[in-house]
Amino acid sequence: DIVMTQTPLSSPVTLGQPASISCRSSQSLVHSDGNTYLSWLQQRPGQPPRLLIYNISNRFSGVPDRFSGSGAGTDFTLKISRVEAEDVGVYYCMHATELPLTFGQGTKLEIK
Amino acid sequence: QVQLQQSGLGLVKPSQTLSLTCAISGDSVSSSSAAWNWIRQSPSRGLEWLGRTYYRSRWYNDYAVSVKSRITITPDTSKNQFSLQLNSVTPEDTAVYYCARRGEPAGKFDYWGQGTLVTVSS
Repeated sequence: DIVMTQTPLSSPVTLGQPASISCRSSQSLVHSDGNTYLSWLQQRPGQPPRLLIYNISNRFSGVPDRFSGSGAGTDFTLKISRVEAEDVGVYYCMHATELPLTFGQGTKLEIK
Repeated sequence: QVQLQQSGLGLVKPSQTLSLTCAISGDSVSSSSAAWNWIRQSPSRGLEWLGRTYYRSRWYNDYAVSVKSRITITPDTSKNQFSLQLNSVTPEDTAVYYCARRGEPAGKFDYWGQGTLVTVSS
């Protein structure tokens, strides 16, 4: 199975400041079709996960443009340009390049 | 707008069968571009993919190795839903269970059910 490792596990951020979360996979996430199936999910307290970013850098419908994704191969980053109060929650990376799909352990974003 | 509505019992006794259903609106379980997944979340295991069903001229299923001997995911085209059955449960199967759609392009887990807390306890 591909292991997804996120850093940091906790990120205290000041409102209006940027935040960055890293995700590293134990092997390349490039699929045989040439795509890289790396996604970012946000989970607010008491809610199901919500898709933010798919295929490294594509924002899902309705996701604010302060969220962006980048990376390639085994190293990926989620950036929030200016953190807002509603961004509090846990962020997960996940891959769908092969079975089984696996998830990172989560990064808790909190406000300082 | 796709919506997934979960239903099923929240308390199951050890050795019995966990059964959950995910009703789909706004899409079809027989869609030729979607896959319908079950994922669970617990403090000890985090988010764990369990399996999926999808239709590509015929029905396919894929399951996680960790539950492969105990799991069945079944589509129901008449009700436009899909179901999870997990047999011989133990307290380690206690988790919040989610259904989720993988849309297009592949890798896009775009819609999730509300989640069902299932507790395995006598």
